Amino acid sequence: GAGVSQSPSNKVTEKGKDVELRCDPISGHTALYWYRQSLGQGLEFLIYFQGNSAPDKSGLPSDRFSAERTGGSVSTLTIQRTQQEDSAVYLCASSLRVSLVDTQYFGPGTRLTVL
Amino acid sequence: GDSVTQMEGPVTLSEEAFLTINCTYTATGYPSLFWYVQYPGEGLQLLLKATKADDKGSNKGFEATYRKETTSFHLEKGSVQVSDSAVYFCALRGPKGGSYIPTFGRGTSLIVHP
Repeated sequence: GAGVSQSPSNKVTEKGKDVELRCDPISGHTALYWYRQSLGQGLEFLIYFQGNSAPDKSGLPSDRFSAERTGGSVSTLTIQRTQQEDSAVYLCASSLRVSLVDTQYFGPGTRLTVL
Repeated sequence: GDSVTQMEGPVTLSEEAFLTINCTYTATGYPSLFWYVQYPGEGLQLLLKATKADDKGSNKGFEATYRKETTSFHLEKGSVQVSDSAVYFCALRGPKGGSYIPTFGRGTSLIVHP
C-alpha cells in the first residue's frame, strides 16, 4: 500500500528481552519520526530522522532505546532489556521533508506488552 | 517549553448533537495548530490545520479557528455521527530549532451513541 506500515502490529515479550520494531515509511519521504503512546497519555516524541541521520535523539527515554534508518527508508527501533514501563503503542510517522508545512502520515502502530 | 492542554474525556454525545473539544496551547513564536483523529485500531490522521492567527481549518464537518488572543484552537462540529467516535488530538508545531517536532495534547475520547 501507499501508507506507512509498521510491524509487528502486536508484540508480547518478557521483561529483560530485546525487541525490534520496524517502520516502512511512504516512498520518497525523507523525514521519519518515532513516538510512544502510553495509556491515557499523549504522544511522546522519541526520535526523528532526516534521511539516515538522527539530529535529535533527546526524546529517547534511556540508553536501552536506540533507532537506526538505512537507505533513507526503513527504520528500526530497538529496545534492549525491556521493562514493564516500556509497554505502550509505538507509532511511526513520515513526511516528505522536515518542515512546518509537510504533513506527517502515521502508521497504525505496534502495541508492545512487556510481561 | 511548548505545551498543549485538551479537555479530558471521554466526551459522550448522542447522534446529531453539537460537539466542542477545547484545546489551549503555550508556545513561543507563532506555531501552526493541528487536530488529528485516531479511529479504533488505526494510526493518527490529520483532520485539519491552521497556520496563522484567525485562520479556520475545516474538514468532514469539523472546524477549528486559530485564536491567538486566547491561545486556543477548539474543535467543533455541528452534528456528530456514530462514525465520529474516535480519539482527537490537538497539536502544535513550531520551529523548535528547525526540527518542527509536534507537541501533542493527551487526546480526548469521543463516544457518539445512536
